[in-house]
Amino acid sequence: AQTVTQSQPEMSVQEAETVTLSCTYDTSESDYYLFWYKQPPSRQMILVIRQEAYKQQNATENRFSVNFQKAAKSFSLKISDSQLGDAAMYFCAYRINLETSGSRLTFGEGTQLTVNP
Amino acid sequence: EAQVTQNPRYLITVTGKKLTVTCSQNMNHEYMSWYRQDPGLGLRQIYYSMNVEVTDKGDVPEGYKVSRKEKRNFPLILESPSPNQTSLYFCASSLLAGASTQYFGPGTRLLVL
Repeated sequence: AQTVTQSQPEMSVQEAETVTLSCTYDTSESDYYLFWYKQPPSRQMILVIRQEAYKQQNATENRFSVNFQKAAKSFSLKISDSQLGDAAMYFCAYRINLETSGSRLTFGEGTQLTVNP
Repeated sequence: EAQVTQNPRYLITVTGKKLTVTCSQNMNHEYMSWYRQDPGLGLRQIYYSMNVEVTDKGDVPEGYKVSRKEKRNFPLILESPSPNQTSLYFCASSLLAGASTQYFGPGTRLLVL
């Protein structure tokens, strides 16, 4: 069974600084996708960034980037120039690329990010 | 606007009183899914649907039912709610299963007394 682990229940960062959130996962599959979702106080689940396992290049979306280490099964999220609006719960998630598998997103426990002014 | 909608957003009910949480998407997505979110556990899948009339259990299906009679709708039914079903529920959809990104509804907060 696939598992996703976020070992940092809480993190904090100063506004304009950089913070990295950690995520590790366990799978025997080779074709899968990894995601970071953001959940602000509104509870809405917002996709931040997505990484295809077959791509060696790390995904980037504006101030958000990932460090994808496939052999180590590590998928960290870096937020640069942190803003107050980045404060949220962040979830790492995994999805196998198999149409017949149920295609569930497997989530980590979440990391609560606080941004200090 | 492309979106997933859920209703109601908040619900307080009593043990044993049947309820339905509706989910609708306007993106012509084939795949739809229900998750529940509990503190410290992240989100866990309850049921999913690959297409109309095709549904299957996720990781935590006990106490829930679903149906998929139309492509756009995927209601979650609690026939006899119990307090351990107090949770935050999310509906999600994606174009297909597998590689497609899942888009989430706004969530339904349920309290069962």
